[in-house]
Amino acid sequence: AQSVTQLDSQVPVFEEAPVELRCNYSSSVSVYLFWYVQYPNQGLQLLLKYLSGSTLVKGINGFEAEFNKSQTSFHLRKPSVHISDTAEYFCAVRRINTDKLIFGTGTRLQVFP
Amino acid sequence: GAGVSQSPSNKVTEKGKDVELRCDPISGHTALYWYRQSLGQGLEFLIYFQGNSAPDKSGLPSDRFSAERTGGSVSTLTIQRTQQEDSAVYLCASSLTPVPTGSSTEAFFGQGTRLTVV
Repeated sequence: AQSVTQLDSQVPVFEEAPVELRCNYSSSVSVYLFWYVQYPNQGLQLLLKYLSGSTLVKGINGFEAEFNKSQTSFHLRKPSVHISDTAEYFCAVRRINTDKLIFGTGTRLQVFP
Repeated sequence: GAGVSQSPSNKVTEKGKDVELRCDPISGHTALYWYRQSLGQGLEFLIYFQGNSAPDKSGLPSDRFSAERTGGSVSTLTIQRTQQEDSAVYLCASSLTPVPTGSSTEAFFGQGTRLTVV
């Protein structure tokens, strides 16, 4: 079975500072990886995804993530955050031979002025 | 439709009553998912439908929960004899993901139904 671990439930950071949200997964087979964002009182939307190819994936709003197979990680990064990045961020994994999408427990990013 | 539509957006029910939550996926999407989002619990997988295949019900928390998908489109999640711990936001998502070709597209989410059991 696959699982997703987001170690940080909350990450407070000041505006314009860099941020990294951690995601680790476990799976016995190859996977696809996703980051979703949920802004306050809104639905989930896709931030970025890794399917294959380059391990560095760029997404919307200046976010990027790096797939590290040896460490089974897919950490999300942004070099300089804005107040508007305050949201809940979810990492998700899908095995390549199924469609079942499993999410982590989420990380609340709070950006302070 | 343009996106995944869920109804109602809010539902308040009395403990012990049955509720039905509806999901209209994006037209043509073959995969449909139900998740439950509780405070501090993240997104809990409930059930997954893919085309005409048998649904993956492995996430349903008890036999009070059931779901069906009619005609490969609209889905209804039913909770019987609701309990206070069923209070949560229930999210539906759909995707074009075909299996087993291996290509993958993302899941698109509805705005959810906020269920409150009093």
